[in-house]
Amino acid sequence: EAGVVQSPRYKIIEKKQPVAFWCNPISGHNTLYWYRQNLGQGPELLIRYENEEAVDDSQLPKDRFSAERLKGVDSTLKIQPAELGDSAVYLCASSARDRGSYEQYFGPGTRLTVT
Amino acid sequence: AQKVTQAQTEISVVEKEDVTLDCVYETRDTTYYLFWYKQPPSGELVFLIRRNSFDEQNEISGRYSWNFQKSTSSFNFTITASQVVDSAVYFCALSGMNSGYSTLTFGKGTMLLVSP
Repeated sequence: EAGVVQSPRYKIIEKKQPVAFWCNPISGHNTLYWYRQNLGQGPELLIRYENEEAVDDSQLPKDRFSAERLKGVDSTLKIQPAELGDSAVYLCASSARDRGSYEQYFGPGTRLTVT
Repeated sequence: AQKVTQAQTEISVVEKEDVTLDCVYETRDTTYYLFWYKQPPSGELVFLIRRNSFDEQNEISGRYSWNFQKSTSSFNFTITASQVVDSAVYFCALSGMNSGYSTLTFGKGTMLLVSP
């Protein structure tokens, strides 16, 4: 079974530029998460999708961040415009919560550097 | 509010030594799940174990074992006969019933360095 796929793995951009990250969850997983992980810290949730619905986006900085999960499968997270403080690893995870499976499976992440 | 504390920032051991990673948690939920994840240098978080708050039995999986003590709100992780491939950052996490087990609260992680 294929794991969570993310692209790109690395991205370097200048501040004020836009950037987008893509995630394809494990097949059959209805729940998709986006996390941000700062250096030396644990991941922090940005947004959670149940199928195509964003059910928890309370930690998403909505002035510059947006996300979508069309058709309830893959998802895109966008930052526009990027700021220096957005440099972090962006992790995507998925789980089969609708089947009572609460462990989350993570992708390799996208390491964003904003210069 | 939930909180997970991993007081050990970094641990260094020599191969074949046993090592215990500590995890202490706080939650008001009566039912919750505890997790351990491994993050090797490649960056991907690898799921290791999930433990329900009602199940205080210790668990062993190969060289890995977990000690859950509800009385002290701890969920410690022991690696027996450590190997170089065990070098990684290990995260303890908590998910509570009040959030529908949807939100993982992570600790800051413990970096384990195993030298030959």
